[in-house]
Order: sequence, then C-alpha cells, then structure tokens
Amino acid sequence: QKEVEQNSGPLSVPEGAIASLNCTYSDRGSQSFFWYRQYSGKSPELIMSIYSNGDKEDGRFTAQLNKASQYVSLLIRDSQPSDSATYLCAVNIWGNNRLAFGKGNQVVVIP
Amino acid sequence: EADIYQTPRYLVIGTGKKITLECSQTMGHDKMYWYQQDPGMELHLIHYSYGVNSTEKGDLSSESTVSRIRTEHFPLTLESARPSHTSQYLCASSPRTSASYEQYFGPGTRLTVT
Repeated sequence: QKEVEQNSGPLSVPEGAIASLNCTYSDRGSQSFFWYRQYSGKSPELIMSIYSNGDKEDGRFTAQLNKASQYVSLLIRDSQPSDSATYLCAVNIWGNNRLAFGKGNQVVVIP
Repeated sequence: EADIYQTPRYLVIGTGKKITLECSQTMGHDKMYWYQQDPGMELHLIHYSYGVNSTEKGDLSSESTVSRIRTEHFPLTLESARPSHTSQYLCASSPRTSASYEQYFGPGTRLTVT
C-alpha cells in the first residue's frame, strides 16, 4: 500500500467552477498534511497546510482533513486559468522527519 | 517563505563526469532534502539531513552522495554521471521545530547526461 495515494486522473474544470482533489494516506500516526502546487517545469510550492480535523480556508483554497477516514482534500473555488497545475498531497511519516508525496493530480482550468 | 537556492539551474554533461549540485538556504533550517523528479512523474527522495554532520539515504538509490558540513549548505555529488541520471533534482528545507514538517523547495537543477 502506498503511503499517499492520489488516484484521480487529470481534472478539467471550467473557469469559475470548483475543483475538488482527494488524497488518502496509510499512516495513522500522521499529524501534518500539505498541498503543493507545481507548475509544469517548476518546483513544488506549498499552498496549504492542515493539522486538525475539519476545514481550513485560505483565499480560494479550502483544505479538508478527516483523520478517521485517513483522507485529505483540497477545494479550489472560482477556478482560474492560473490554477492549471499539478497538485501534490504530502503527509508526514510518523517518527520520521520526512514527507511522503502523492503522484499528484493535474488540474486544467478551461477559460 | 524560505529562501533556498540551487546552482546550476541547467547542466548538460558527458557520461562519466563527476558533478556536484549545490543547494543553499538562508533560513537556518536544520532539515534538508534532495529529490529526483522526472517530467510528469512523482518525487523520489534521494537523501536527507537532520542537521550538520547528519545524512541519510532516501528511497531512491541514485549512486550519489551528500554532505552537510554547514547548516545552510547541502551539496549532492554524482561521482560518475550516466544517462539514467538525466532528471530534475530538487532541494528542499524544513524548519527545526519538531511540529513543523512543511518543506520549501528550491528552483531545481535540470540535469542532462549525454
């Protein structure tokens, strides 16, 4: 079982719509959860962090965490063409100073 | 926001050459990491460090070595470059506090071995 799984294929959303991304993780001891945005040919950029169950909002981004079900999600409201990128889910591995990254979900916002 | 720098940004080199990829950060972060990423593919952890004189191997054996003599500097060395080493190499750092696992990435070095 992979430590972090992002199974959805490329996501195409019209401009102004909500993009929804999901991620599951295997380590029940994980305490820190992150979403990174990576534009093609660039390095990942941290856009959201969440540490407790529930929702965390930052501008047009909302991260949602459910530790009982071991999933974390990212909602992008009012999607813009500039949101077109790959979004990586990352989870800390308990007892280890590293993050496990998912494969990423590509989002394409269609004007 | 972390300030983390990588040089060179692009490198084309012949097979068998020894190369060192540089990574420096100015935030005083104790933890530093090296990742390898092919286009459109996932990140693979190569090496990481918890602090000065600490180095650990990651999940991907890339026939490389690292050193951590100074907090701000974490160079990656390939003793003998091969075409299979062609990839993007990303350096990241993370703050010292035990509750902080977030990592901040440098701009990357795109390596091509001919």
